[in-house]
Amino acid sequence: EVQLLESGGGLVQPGGSLRLSCAASGFTFSNYAMSWVRQAPGKGLEWVSAISGSGGSTYYADSVKGRFTISRDSSKNTLYLHMNSLRAEDTAIYYCAKDRGGSFSTFNYWGQGTLVTVSS
Amino acid sequence: QSVLTQPPSASETPGQRVTISCSGSSSNIGGNTVNWYQQLPGTAPKLLIYGNNQRPSGVPDRFSGSKSGTSASLAISGLQSDDEADYYCAAWDDSLNGVVFGGGTKLTVL
Repeated sequence: EVQLLESGGGLVQPGGSLRLSCAASGFTFSNYAMSWVRQAPGKGLEWVSAISGSGGSTYYADSVKGRFTISRDSSKNTLYLHMNSLRAEDTAIYYCAKDRGGSFSTFNYWGQGTLVTVSS
Repeated sequence: QSVLTQPPSASETPGQRVTISCSGSSSNIGGNTVNWYQQLPGTAPKLLIYGNNQRPSGVPDRFSGSKSGTSASLAISGLQSDDEADYYCAAWDDSLNGVVFGGGTKLTVL
């Protein structure tokens, strides 16, 4: 059974940093691209970043480019999102999502999400 | 302002059919496949349709997807009360080099 378990969310001050983790199980982690998708309170879904199965290719939304870094550790079956220079508008539930394969936009499994609140 | 355009809301009575549209451009829907997600209140999204019109195992055939040019549609027939949810379309965008979502459509079953 595929499971994705996010952690690392919390309250952080504007300008601060946070690292989110997503522990994956139930599939061959290195074979699949992974993404982070966020949802601000009461708002729609916003794709944040994606990484290929090998980790060799990464992609970012313009809203986070230069501030966030996606990475993965296949020895730990874990996906990360390093977030720097956080802003109030980064407040959201952050979901990690597994790609089904081939398109980077077909997320067939999602975690339960971790809440990031940026506030002073 | 989302790159993909969806109506913010839709409603229909139980047993009827409803269609939700998703409009994009040549850099996203026009050149790539469309996926649809269902998000029930308080839960993570769930893949409903992938590759324009394919259903993952476990998704009832009451749900169907289609694409024509730079637009896509999700149809739900035989509406049930537990279909009340937010529905999102998504696709890869070749110009932005990333995934774009629609703004979401809140479906109400009257």
